[in-house]
Amino acid sequence: QIRLLQSGADIKNPGASMKVSCKASEYTFTGYYIHWVRQAPGQGLEWMGWINPVSGDTEYSQKFQGRVTVTMDMSITTVYLELSRLTSDDTAIYYCARDGVEWQRLRWALDVWGRGTTVTVSS
Amino acid sequence: DIQLTQSPSSLSASVGDRVTITCQASHDINYSLIWYKQIPGKPPKLLIYDASNLEVAVPSRFSGSGSGTHFTLTINGLQPEDFGTYYCQQYNTVPSTFGQGTRLDFK
Repeated sequence: QIRLLQSGADIKNPGASMKVSCKASEYTFTGYYIHWVRQAPGQGLEWMGWINPVSGDTEYSQKFQGRVTVTMDMSITTVYLELSRLTSDDTAIYYCARDGVEWQRLRWALDVWGRGTTVTVSS
Repeated sequence: DIQLTQSPSSLSASVGDRVTITCQASHDINYSLIWYKQIPGKPPKLLIYDASNLEVAVPSRFSGSGSGTHFTLTINGLQPEDFGTYYCQQYNTVPSTFGQGTRLDFK
């Protein structure tokens, strides 16, 4: 079964950084882009960025530019999301999702999602 | 950023009803629209991509249409498992943006 297994919930102090992992299994890791989407409590969805698992190229929402980094470790089929200078507004569930409609193409149709990682920013 | 406005924000319907949700874009996005459904505590589920293409294993009672700035998601013959919140997403222009969601519950 195709899965994206995310790391566990975390609590961070304001000003700190977070790092969430997303391990892909049961499909060819290099075949599909991975996106990150977040959802604040009781709110809608917000796209953050994507990574090309072949080249490592990334693209981010300008809203997070300078604070966000998406990386990957192909050897363990894992993608990481790092977000720095956290504030209470960053309290959210962070999802990774596979762009799965077409092999090695950016199509934005996210067909497989992780269960989400809850990050709480609080002093 | 491109704004997506969904209407209605919420609706109540009965099993068997035909339900239509609209998504209006602030600028022309061609066919670059996706629909998801989300139930509480779960990640979103892909329903429709490229405005009208049904994702694999999604029931045929779901359909999408539209282009440019006006899009619709239609559910023909509502089923109990269709409750939840529906979101549209545009990917014509980065940053990709989502509508605010339409909450569907049962009468």
